[in-house]
Amino acid sequence: AQSVTQPDIHITVSEGASLELRCNYSYGATPYLFWYVQSPGQGLQLLLKYFSGDTLVQGIKGFEAEFKRSQSSFNLRKPSVHWSDAAEYFCAVVFTSGTYKYIFGTGTRLKVLA
Amino acid sequence: DADVTQTPRNRITKTGKRIMLECSQTKGHDRMYWYRQDPGLGLRLIYYSFDVKDINKGEISDGYSVSRQAQAKFSLSLESAIPNQTALYFCATSDWTSGRSNEQFFGPGTRLTVL
Repeated sequence: AQSVTQPDIHITVSEGASLELRCNYSYGATPYLFWYVQSPGQGLQLLLKYFSGDTLVQGIKGFEAEFKRSQSSFNLRKPSVHWSDAAEYFCAVVFTSGTYKYIFGTGTRLKVLA
Repeated sequence: DADVTQTPRNRITKTGKRIMLECSQTKGHDRMYWYRQDPGLGLRLIYYSFDVKDINKGEISDGYSVSRQAQAKFSLSLESAIPNQTALYFCATSDWTSGRSNEQFFGPGTRLTVL
């Protein structure tokens, strides 16, 4: 079955430290891949997306993500975290063969220590 | 995103009541979606509509219905609310005609509590 997994429910990092949030999917072909961020009390905002081409994609707010087909992963990274990055992050995957499915992971809540 | 608005933003209701959540968008997008968000479960798709005459069930449509009154409006109804429908509800839109159909734009959410 098609699925999206974010294995880390909570992550805590110090301000200035690097960050990597994990996302794995289960699918036979390459899906469309997204990362969204949700600040407290807000809706979701798109950080970046991957459809095809270069497997390292750049997004807003200094984030990047790398698609690794062999690992069925699309991990989100940031070299230096800012306190304002504290939020919940969702990986989302669109599966396009057969019935249209837009599936979100369960989210990773990021806490940033000053 | 201010281009996607949801009303009300907060609602408290009682079991058995009929509730309607409304979504409007000024982005000119053809596709609209309703999700619910529960802690630890992420967002789950309730219904989606690819145009005014197209309505599709999502992952968790039981207990919900929708109406696409116009391209810009997509409402979600709970015919007889129950406590486990307490959640944060999001409307989203996307634009097929621009080729960016898979990038979704979210409203601010409606927090619904069913007592």
